[in-house]
Amino acid sequence: AQKVTQAQTEISVVEKEDVTLDCVYETRDTTYYLFWYKQPPSGELVFLIRRNSFDEQNEISGRYSWNFQKSTSSFNFTITASQVVDSAVYFCALSEGYGGSQGNLIFGKGTKLSVKP
Amino acid sequence: KAGVTQTPRYLIKTRGQQVTLSCSPISGHRSVSWYQQTPGQGLQFLFEYFSETQRNKGNFPGRFSGRQFSNSRSEMNVSTLELGDSALYLCASSPLGNEQFFGPGTRLTVL
Repeated sequence: AQKVTQAQTEISVVEKEDVTLDCVYETRDTTYYLFWYKQPPSGELVFLIRRNSFDEQNEISGRYSWNFQKSTSSFNFTITASQVVDSAVYFCALSEGYGGSQGNLIFGKGTKLSVKP
Repeated sequence: KAGVTQTPRYLIKTRGQQVTLSCSPISGHRSVSWYQQTPGQGLQFLFEYFSETQRNKGNFPGRFSGRQFSNSRSEMNVSTLELGDSALYLCASSPLGNEQFFGPGTRLTVL
């Protein structure tokens, strides 16, 4: 069965600290997609990144970086030099990409990040 | 490009009533998915539509239904509302095979 686990329910850091959000997934498929979304207090989910199961390259986008390791079924997200505006709930999600579709996302429970000034 | 729009944004209903929520996808996106978000269960997949056909369905009772129109707009319907149906209902659209973009959601309160 598919499952996404975000063990950290809440994290609180002080501005400029680095923070890593953990994500562990379970799937039997060899083809799948992993995602991170951000949900600020306004409620709208904001897409951050998508990786497919065949691409284990780490990715960096500004202060954000992602570490994908199939050996440990993990897809962790690091924010470098955190800012108050990073405060939000972050969700990791999995799609098994059936028939090319990624419209069936399995979400983790989310990690609430609070960045204090 | 305009984002995903959902109407209404807020809704209050009483138990036993039914409700219809609407979602207009980003122009050119033909895939629309619906999710329910509650504090207890988190984000759960309801269903996905592509070209007016339901492609996937989550583990929800038959009271939850949806449809998609030829212009890709989608509606979801919940009949015989229960208190536990109170939630944020999120709609997402995508070109098939790509990441989804979410709307602001409809906050449904069942009294």
